[in-house]
Amino acid sequence: SQQGEEDPQALSIQEGENATMNCSYKTSINNLQWYRQNSGRGLVHLILIRSNEREKHSGRLRVTLDTSKKSSSLLITASRAADTASYFCANRTQGGSEKLVFGKGTKLTVNP
Amino acid sequence: GAGVSQSPSNKVTEKGKDVELRCDPISGHTALYWYRQRLGQGLEFLIYFQGNSAPDKSGLPSDRFSAERTGESVSTLTIQRTQQEDSAVYLCASSLPGRAGELFFGEGSRLTVL
Repeated sequence: SQQGEEDPQALSIQEGENATMNCSYKTSINNLQWYRQNSGRGLVHLILIRSNEREKHSGRLRVTLDTSKKSSSLLITASRAADTASYFCANRTQGGSEKLVFGKGTKLTVNP
Repeated sequence: GAGVSQSPSNKVTEKGKDVELRCDPISGHTALYWYRQRLGQGLEFLIYFQGNSAPDKSGLPSDRFSAERTGESVSTLTIQRTQQEDSAVYLCASSLPGRAGELFFGEGSRLTVL
């Protein structure tokens, strides 16, 4: 079964608000990555956080990782209509295959 | 090329026909992945290549699905005797070797089986 379960499944906010998406996973990981997918397009890598890191920033993105709870969150601050997309977390199992396992994603809608 | 290229971008076929989907990864990326994404769903791992060999093909759903890679470059995903449940977007991604690598995705091949 796939690891990485995002919640909420869908999120609708107004422009300017912050959006928080959560991801849980089941086994020990080397790192966790977040990707974005615009409708009908391929995925684009946003940010990677390593298992020994707790927080990472990139522009308006903030990612946290809690390995004790096997969870991560992605915060998008001051959202824009252009942030409308699906967001996925992904990870590789520590000591396991090289495959990157994706969650089911959170569909974010930012209303202008 | 500059990015991962997939073809065809759209394919409509009749049930029972065979289809081939092609992926051209970024030059120098030795790792290549195939995923399937059904409408409104997440990504389902199919197979991973390191060079021309496939250390992990655990996600291939049945023996109707096969994939190969040649020259540590182009990969082809073949679906034989297609079924309606095979309808999905098939995404290819490539990366540099190593467990920390980010994946670079193509735009996908949308397969519709009538």
